Amino acid sequence: RKEVEQDPGPFNVPEGATVAFNCTYSNSASQSFFWYRQDCRKEPKLLMSVYSSGNEDGRFTAQLNRASQYISLLIRDSKLSDSATYLCVGLLNQAGTALIFGKGTTLSVSS
Amino acid sequence: DAMVIQNPRYQVTQFGKPVTLSCSQTLNHNVMYWYQQKSSQAPKLLFHYYDKDFNNEADTPDNFQSRRPNTSFCFLDIRSPGLGDAAMYLCATSAHKAPNQPQHFGDGTRLSIL
Repeated sequence: RKEVEQDPGPFNVPEGATVAFNCTYSNSASQSFFWYRQDCRKEPKLLMSVYSSGNEDGRFTAQLNRASQYISLLIRDSKLSDSATYLCVGLLNQAGTALIFGKGTTLSVSS
Repeated sequence: DAMVIQNPRYQVTQFGKPVTLSCSQTLNHNVMYWYQQKSSQAPKLLFHYYDKDFNNEADTPDNFQSRRPNTSFCFLDIRSPGLGDAAMYLCATSAHKAPNQPQHFGDGTRLSIL
């Protein structure tokens, strides 16, 4: 079983839609989680950290459920510019070095 | 302004010909990482430096080596590139080795092997 798993999609949604991605992780000792965004042929860019209490940044909300070992990302009012691959990322050791990426979920927002 | 800079953006080399990719950072971060990302796959950590302390991932081929002459610069050396080494190579930095430290990536170098 892969350590971080995501539905690869693609998710095709119209502008203005609300879309949610889930990610599961297998290592219960995982320390921290992040969502990164990666555009085609570009580097991953940090979108947001994920906290157990949930955190929100504008149209984006991230949630961590340690009991069920999943992470979610909710995007409200989707924009065309949100089209990208969203990578779920876990930090799996106390040393803070084992940054494990999921394979990503592709989102395509159309007008 | 870019804070993690990778050069070149595109690198073409011949099968078996050594190649060096470079990364520099203006963040004064302690930790620098090298990842390999192949098409449609997640980035895979090759190794990292914590200051001058080098840490190799167990499954990183011996063909891949790294140097960090100072805080700002880190190099990835591929001694004898094979066709399977064609990929995007990403450099990243983080301030510390701590569980809540995100990593900041450079633009990447896309390596092609002829």
